[in-house]
Amino acid sequence: AQSVTQPDIHITVSEGASLELRCNYSYGATPYLFWYVQSPGQGLQLLLKYFSGDTLVQGIKGFEAEFKRSQSSFNLRKPSVHWSDAAEYFCAVGALPTASKIIFGSGTRLSIRP
Amino acid sequence: ETGVTQTPRHLVMGMTNKKSLKCEQHLGHNAMYWYKQSAKKPLELMFVYSLEERVENNSVPSRFSPECPNSSHLFLHLHTLQPEDSALYLCASSQEETGASEQYFGPGTRLTVT
Repeated sequence: AQSVTQPDIHITVSEGASLELRCNYSYGATPYLFWYVQSPGQGLQLLLKYFSGDTLVQGIKGFEAEFKRSQSSFNLRKPSVHWSDAAEYFCAVGALPTASKIIFGSGTRLSIRP
Repeated sequence: ETGVTQTPRHLVMGMTNKKSLKCEQHLGHNAMYWYKQSAKKPLELMFVYSLEERVENNSVPSRFSPECPNSSHLFLHLHTLQPEDSALYLCASSQEETGASEQYFGPGTRLTVT
């Protein structure tokens, strides 16, 4: 069975600074990897996903993530954060065949310092 | 706008009440899901429906009863709940019911059991 770990519970960065949120997964084969964002009082919104191919994935809102098989990681990055990026970020790993195989991490809460 | 709506957005109910949560997706998807999101806990998958048939029931207490009358609508019927059932209940949908499918989430129903 697969698993996913987000080591950082809470991160604070200054507005305009770069951001990297960590995600580590455990799975025997190539997983399906997702990053979702949840703003306060809202549901989760997909930022980006990785299935195969180019290991650097571009998403919405200026986010990108890099799949590193050797490190079992799928870290989310943004070169310059905006105050509106303050939210909870969830990494998820999926495996075939069924959706019940999708496992979400515990989330990382991002705060932005003015 | 994610295309998945949930009503009500907030619900306060006593332990002896019966209430229902409603979810509707406008995306033409074949699969729908109920998740429970509690503070400081990972997202918990409760039920999965594919083409209106329940395909997953993750050991959820019988006081939660799902219903999927068609591929666009999903209900969660609640009765004799406990205070520990207070949480954000999220509905999601995806094109297919697989671990590779990105899910689209509604804004959730914030449930408080008194």
